[in-house]
Amino acid sequence: QVQLQESGPGLVKPSETLSLTCSVSGGSMDSYYWSWIRQSAGKGLEWVGRIYYSGSPNYNPSLNGRVAISVDTSKNQFSMKVTSVTDADTAVYYCARDRGDYAGGLDSWGQGTRVIVSS
Amino acid sequence: DIQMTQSPSSLSASVGDRITMTCQASQGVTKYLNWYQQKPGKAPKLLIYDATNLETGVPSRFSGSGSGTDFTFTINSLQPEDFATYYCQQYDILPYTFGQGTRLQIK
Repeated sequence: QVQLQESGPGLVKPSETLSLTCSVSGGSMDSYYWSWIRQSAGKGLEWVGRIYYSGSPNYNPSLNGRVAISVDTSKNQFSMKVTSVTDADTAVYYCARDRGDYAGGLDSWGQGTRVIVSS
Repeated sequence: DIQMTQSPSSLSASVGDRITMTCQASQGVTKYLNWYQQKPGKAPKLLIYDATNLETGVPSRFSGSGSGTDFTFTINSLQPEDFATYYCQQYDILPYTFGQGTRLQIK
């Protein structure tokens, strides 16, 4: 049973960079996409982006080029950075295993980490 | 982006009831539609993928139907643990998008 765990600071100052890491245990990262999703009261569930285990990220255009996702399969981790954050980036951030384009679905999720953007 | 519209936004029902909720996409997503259950303070859980397929380990009282733009999610014989918020999500075209959710409450 694969397990995912988000880690990173819970408080980020406006205009700074939000950095989160997702650690994957209990399974290989091979042959899957790995996604980040966030949830805020104002916007509900919003997909942030994904990366294939071998690279090739895809991003939600709504973040206006401020997001970057990377993967390190040797550490069984993938990470996300969001630059120039504003209070609109305040949300619970989830990482998830993504089955991709066929028989898809986000089938395993981390517990989520709350990130507040505030000075 | 493809907009996903769920209805109703909230629903009250009793244990043992059969309930149905819908999800409409702003353009066709063929069969690439998933349903999730979320309980307060927890991550969403995948229940149905590709509109009609039950995820492994999910009870058979949950089912989905539809294709194109109109989808339905049904729970037969509601159990106490089913009271939660349900979301649809399309993955036909990036970016993935979610509906705003249907909150299922105890009557």
